[in-house]
Amino acid sequence: DTGVSQDPRHKITKRGQNVTFRCDPISEHNRLYWYRQTLGQGPEFLTYFQNEAQLEKSRLLSDRFSAERPKGSFSTLEIQRTEQGDSAMYLCASSLARTGRTNEKLFFGSGTQLSVL
Amino acid sequence: SQQGEEDPQALSIQEGENATMNCSYKTSINNLQWYRQNSGRGLVHLILIRSNEREKHSGRLRVTLDTSKKSSSLLITASRAADTASYFCATDRSSSNDYKLSFGAGTTVTVRA
Repeated sequence: DTGVSQDPRHKITKRGQNVTFRCDPISEHNRLYWYRQTLGQGPEFLTYFQNEAQLEKSRLLSDRFSAERPKGSFSTLEIQRTEQGDSAMYLCASSLARTGRTNEKLFFGSGTQLSVL
Repeated sequence: SQQGEEDPQALSIQEGENATMNCSYKTSINNLQWYRQNSGRGLVHLILIRSNEREKHSGRLRVTLDTSKKSSSLLITASRAADTASYFCATDRSSSNDYKLSFGAGTTVTVRA
């Protein structure tokens, strides 16, 4: 257990439905990342937050995807009007970034496996 | 796009043997990290090597970094069945505002008992 929690672990939905995932990072971590992973591939960056500010969003992320991190604590990732191509593992990770230091290690949650039928 | 590429894609070895996998990347980096992922689970950090380091050890793991060739290797010595997993390298970019890690497609290691 890395200390990063994701909920739910599995989500099955029908095409066109909206889904929302939650991530609870390690409490003192100021950076939070969302990645997507499909079978046989490495994690693909979606977006990240420093505290409550969303600092970067992948160009691959369509307008149907939105993420929030209110108060710099937990984060939610919402996918609207799901498509079959959205089926993947959605991974959340957090890290503690110190001023003047580059990236330190990421702590990943166990992921939410999304299946769109 | 993925910055790193691992080689080989898959590796099958006998318990007790060493496993070596390589990672190549495209742009200048601040550090390179290796992660392990067991099937259906999240990734676990193994080791971080900074751009000014050439070699690092952690238990049965040995990582090398050659910034002139933009490549790294991960060696697992005396492998065990529990080492069966996918291994990913991850890099940042040395531009000041790019903090995200980019992952390769991974090497799947199977350790046979």
